[in-house]
Formats: sequence, C-alpha cells, structure tokens
Amino acid sequence: GNSVTQMEGPVTLSEEAFLTINCTYTATGYPSLFWYVQYPGEGLQLLLKATKADDKGSNKGFEATYRKETTSFHLEKGSVQVSDSAVYFCALLTNAGKSTFGDGTTLTVKP
Amino acid sequence: DTAVSQTPKYLVTQMGNDKSIKCEQNLGHDTMYWYKQDSKKFLKIMFSYNNKELIINETVPNRFSPKSPDKAHLNLHINSLELGDSAVYFCASSGTFDAEAFFGQGTRLTVV
Repeated sequence: GNSVTQMEGPVTLSEEAFLTINCTYTATGYPSLFWYVQYPGEGLQLLLKATKADDKGSNKGFEATYRKETTSFHLEKGSVQVSDSAVYFCALLTNAGKSTFGDGTTLTVKP
Repeated sequence: DTAVSQTPKYLVTQMGNDKSIKCEQNLGHDTMYWYKQDSKKFLKIMFSYNNKELIINETVPNRFSPKSPDKAHLNLHINSLELGDSAVYFCASSGTFDAEAFFGQGTRLTVV
C-alpha cells in the first residue's frame, strides 16, 4: 500500500534559522505530493503542492521539490518566523483519489 | 465566507449515545471527505464521496455512517459512541477526487 514517512518531531528552531522537514513516500504510479500546515486550533491548509517529477512547489517562502529518483518531497524554508509554528503534514494523492498523510511534524519557532 | 464549515465545533457526550456532525461546502466541489485526527495529531481518512456516491470507505466501525443528501453536504452519524471515538473529526472537499483538499475547522468530539 501507499505510505508517507516524515521527519519525527518536535522540531524547535530559533527565528531566522533554516528549516528542513524530510518526507519520503511509497506509492504505485505517479502520485501528486502536498504539504499541508495546521495552525493551533485550526484545520489543515494547503501549503504547496507538486504534481509531477521535478516540479517545485512554493508558497510563503516554503519550497519542496518532487524527486522521483529518491521518492522524496522535503520541505525547506530559508528563514523561519515565530508565526511558522504549526504542525506540518506531507501527503500524497493517487490519481484514483486515495490520499495518505504522514504523521505530522510539530515545529516551534522561538524568538 | 467559510468555504468548508462543520458543526458543532465541540461535542461532549456520554458513552452509548448517538451523535451527528454536519458538514457543508460552498466551493462547488464534487468530492467530500471525513478524516479523523487522534490526540497525537495522526490523520486518517475515513470516507470519501464523489457526487454523493461513496468512493472510499476505509476500515472504520460500521457505527460510523456518512450521509450525503446533496453534493454540498456530507454528514457523519456515529452510533453507540465509545471512549476511543474521542478525536477531532475534519470534513474536507476537493474540486475533483484527484485534487488537493480544503479542510473545515474540525469538530472536537469528547466521549465521557
């Protein structure tokens, strides 16, 4: 079956530090890949996505590149802010409509 | 305007009761979902409906029954509630079954 493995948290960084959250996946075919963010007390929001190999998704300073050869979709940001504190979920979606989420990584950014 | 709205936001109930959570989306999407998020934040899909038809039904107890009266609504009814049902339940929708999902704010269910 499909699976998504992401870096275990929690991750604690100082403001302006560089962020990487690793995500690797297992799936048949060519799924679309997503990063969702969940702020405290809220639902998940789409952060960025990539639908085919070598696509780069980007939003709000976050980036992730769909790497088919390493089956990875690592999330990066050059300089985090306190407001980036949230839970981040990596997810895949097959073209049959089946979604699989990673376990989430809690990020805390300290001033 | 809220895109995906679910009610109630909080639900506290006793074991053995039956309860419903309602979900509505005003995005004109064809596909709607129910997800369960446990206390460790693990997120698991429960059901997926496309144009009012069930297309994904993960292994959930048959005490959980989704109902889609029309494309814009997907309600979740739970019979004989158990302590282990305590979680946050999220409704979501997507334009097609292979597009990204838009999530509601969640319903925190506590069974006592």
